Amino acid sequence: QQQVKQSPQSLIVQKGGISIINCAYENTAFDYFPWYQQFPGKGPALLIAIRPDVSEKKEGRFTISFNKSAKQFSLHIMDSQPGDSATYFCAAHGSSNTGKLIFGQGTTLQVKP
Amino acid sequence: NAGVMQNPRHLVRRRGQEARLRCSPMKGHSHVYWYRQLPEEGLKFMVYLQKENIIDESGMPKERFSAEFPKEGPSILRIQQVVRGDSAAYFCASSPISGRGTGELFFGEGSRLTVL
Repeated sequence: QQQVKQSPQSLIVQKGGISIINCAYENTAFDYFPWYQQFPGKGPALLIAIRPDVSEKKEGRFTISFNKSAKQFSLHIMDSQPGDSATYFCAAHGSSNTGKLIFGQGTTLQVKP
Repeated sequence: NAGVMQNPRHLVRRRGQEARLRCSPMKGHSHVYWYRQLPEEGLKFMVYLQKENIIDESGMPKERFSAEFPKEGPSILRIQQVVRGDSAAYFCASSPISGRGTGELFFGEGSRLTVL
């Protein structure tokens, strides 16, 4: 119940295309769903986040779509650029009394020029 | 640099030795989290600490691993008698507040442990 499942494991997209990464969860008590971006040799950094009371959040080229009934959420990267090539992790806040995040397995995105 | 500082960035140990990884949270942050990242895997929660207290250690292996966050100084993740399976990147994150989904976690650049 504490798992977050992420797919695909890897993704190759042409420059200008749309990158889509999906995540699913089981625990309906999760109340915060961030996406983190990690470049090689660096630590993860918050990209965008959503709470379950909204169905979509957009920040620039990055959009989270959230389906509460299906317990799924996804990251869409519009007009993907080579600089977006990184590993992306979805996560969920998993406890009511700590800030602990449960992370998905990660998706390695490669955007080809 | 006001970010989360981790050291060493790279650490090589032989089997049976001890590894100590240090983490200084961002200024003003009193909540520290340690995560482990194995090759080709996601980030696995290990432990959550506040100053002088371990709040949640549900992800810590039962043996050889310990963590502390003293009143003064950095948080330390200690691995005794390391084995090859401990080779991984260990990330520290901090946040200013806790509670129900209220805070972003700010990550350091990680400490990469290699056990020979």
